[in-house]
Amino acid sequence: EAGVTQFPSHSVIEKGQTVTLRCDPISGHDNLYWYRRVMGKEIKFLLHFVKESKQDESGMPNNRFLAERTGGTYSTLKVQPAELEDSGVYFCASSTTLGTEAFFGQGTRLTVV
Amino acid sequence: ILNVEQSPQSLHVQEGDSTNFTCSFPSSNFYALHWYRWETAKSPEALFVMTLNGDEKKKGRISATLNTKEGYSYLYIKGSQPEDSATYLCALQEYGNKLVFGAGTILRVKS
Repeated sequence: EAGVTQFPSHSVIEKGQTVTLRCDPISGHDNLYWYRRVMGKEIKFLLHFVKESKQDESGMPNNRFLAERTGGTYSTLKVQPAELEDSGVYFCASSTTLGTEAFFGQGTRLTVV
Repeated sequence: ILNVEQSPQSLHVQEGDSTNFTCSFPSSNFYALHWYRWETAKSPEALFVMTLNGDEKKKGRISATLNTKEGYSYLYIKGSQPEDSATYLCALQEYGNKLVFGAGTILRVKS
């Protein structure tokens, strides 16, 4: 069974450009999460989808970030326009029901220069 | 708001040494505590999920305990090996599902 996959693995963009990150969760997992780790800090929650609905987006830093989950399958996270402080590793995770482990992707390392 | 503290920040041990790290939390108002093992450029790997005070879990040379009354969890590694080198992450799962992570403990095992 395929795990959580994220694309791209690395992205280097200039300040002001747009970047779209993609996450394919494990098939059948209704819960999908986005997290971010900036340099030297802890991994922080961005938002949570249940199927195609946003359950909790309290961690989204500002309106430059837009997340979607088309048809409750894969999800995209768009940053527009990117700023230097957006650099970090963006993780996606998926899970079935409350109390089960969350399976993480390998992350997308975003560098804004 | 949940707060998670991990100590030490980093640890260097010799192959064969046993070691342990701490995850502490002032509030026990969470659904579960998770331990993850993370190597850079790889997916964080789930080690344990614990929900009850007094829970003890074991997987090979690694074990963990949970004490919600006193607000801590320990992760133990017996006979550390170089392949155990990684960042060990503790996270509390809120009732709404999201995880609140500590900053992690970086373990380096020298052969």
